[in-house]
Amino acid sequence: DTGVSQNPRHKITKRGQNVTFRCDPISEHNRLYWYRQTLGQGPEFLTYFQNEAQLEKSRLLSDRFSAERPKGSFSTLEIQRTEQGDSAMYLCASSRPGTGDSITKNIQYFGAGTRLSVL
Amino acid sequence: SQKIEQNSEALNIQEGKTATLTCNYTNYSPAYLQWYRQDPGRGPVFLLLIRENEKEKRKERLKVTFDTTLKQSLFHITASQPADSATYLCALLRDSWGKLQFGAGTQVVVTP
Repeated sequence: DTGVSQNPRHKITKRGQNVTFRCDPISEHNRLYWYRQTLGQGPEFLTYFQNEAQLEKSRLLSDRFSAERPKGSFSTLEIQRTEQGDSAMYLCASSRPGTGDSITKNIQYFGAGTRLSVL
Repeated sequence: SQKIEQNSEALNIQEGKTATLTCNYTNYSPAYLQWYRQDPGRGPVFLLLIRENEKEKRKERLKVTFDTTLKQSLFHITASQPADSATYLCALLRDSWGKLQFGAGTQVVVTP
């Protein structure tokens, strides 16, 4: 169990540029989640996947944001035309499959995050 | 919409004492409520999960209670240690796919 890996750890970009983040979940986990966290706040849900299917996108995710999970493995989160308000920590989490009332499927394992600074 | 409230002020506590954190929510009771720990610059780490039909859950020095009548969960750290210093996040399960809604967290500082 190597843990959830996120790259890069830090990204500094200029306003208007596009950025892409990558998340590698724990290998046997079929669910993958993206959250955004700003200073002093808890993580806010952005989107999630079951295998390669994107289940829901938060209204926080404007048209400038897109997430993919090809082949149900790693996932990418792209932000186009970045704005200063996009500066935040972007967290990825994954959870293992479970059946019925299984608790284990509801435990999320988080990566260390990608900190984005838009200048 | 569901609102989650956690103490915004940091909790300063002396080593060996019990820290008690509060998580209040406003609307429906979730099927599960979870507590996570987050250290600066790191992602949250799962600590405990409690179901809506459970009153109390324990894990080592940690204890969680869940009162659906009060719409409140309490998180206790007994015999606190400086290594327990971190931010503790309450999270409510929002749907059957595992979507979580987090509170803002409460920072705990344990001094020797």
